[in-house]
Amino acid sequence: SQKIEQNSEALNIQEGKTATLTCNYTNYSPAYLQWYRQDPGRGPVFLLLIRENEKEKRKERLKVTFDTTLKQSLFHITASQPADSATYLCALVKGGKLIFGQGTELSVKP
Amino acid sequence: DTGVSQNPRHKITKRGQNVTFRCDPISEHNRLYWYRQTLGQGPEFLTYFQNEAQLEKSRLLSDRFSAERPKGSFSTLEIQRTEQGDSAMYLCASSLMPGQETQYFGPGTRLLVL
Repeated sequence: SQKIEQNSEALNIQEGKTATLTCNYTNYSPAYLQWYRQDPGRGPVFLLLIRENEKEKRKERLKVTFDTTLKQSLFHITASQPADSATYLCALVKGGKLIFGQGTELSVKP
Repeated sequence: DTGVSQNPRHKITKRGQNVTFRCDPISEHNRLYWYRQTLGQGPEFLTYFQNEAQLEKSRLLSDRFSAERPKGSFSTLEIQRTEQGDSAMYLCASSLMPGQETQYFGPGTRLLVL
């Protein structure tokens, strides 16, 4: 079955630095992959979608890459801020439904 | 666009009781999804509807779980004879079809079974 894995350890970085989160997947070749942000006690919020024919996608301080050979997506937040602290989820789409990784908790210290 | 809403936001129940959750999707969204999330994990797919038709159910959805979307608008998720293992956050999401892959999530219903 499809498996999607993210860094299980929390990522702690200093304000202003770039945060890089990793998402690896196996047993599937998704047409696209999505990244969501989730704050404690709330539902996930969509951030970015990247298609298999796109190597990179940007939105403001966010950048996502998609390497279908490595079966990996990287999610970058540049000039990070304490307000970026949250759990970030990657998800692949299969048959309309989302299959999520376990999420990586990011903490940005001032 | 008022977003996806879910009620109640929190539910505490005793083992063996039945509970029902409601989800109101974004108006005009054809697809409605239910997910379950436990602490430290990502959401897990349970089931989804296109309009009033239930198109897929996960193996996670035991016979004690039933979902409906009778008029293609709001949906309900019922859990019968709750067990402590049912304690989780139940999330609802909706999306436009066709061609809209982004799902918009509600705030979730947190269930605690004592």
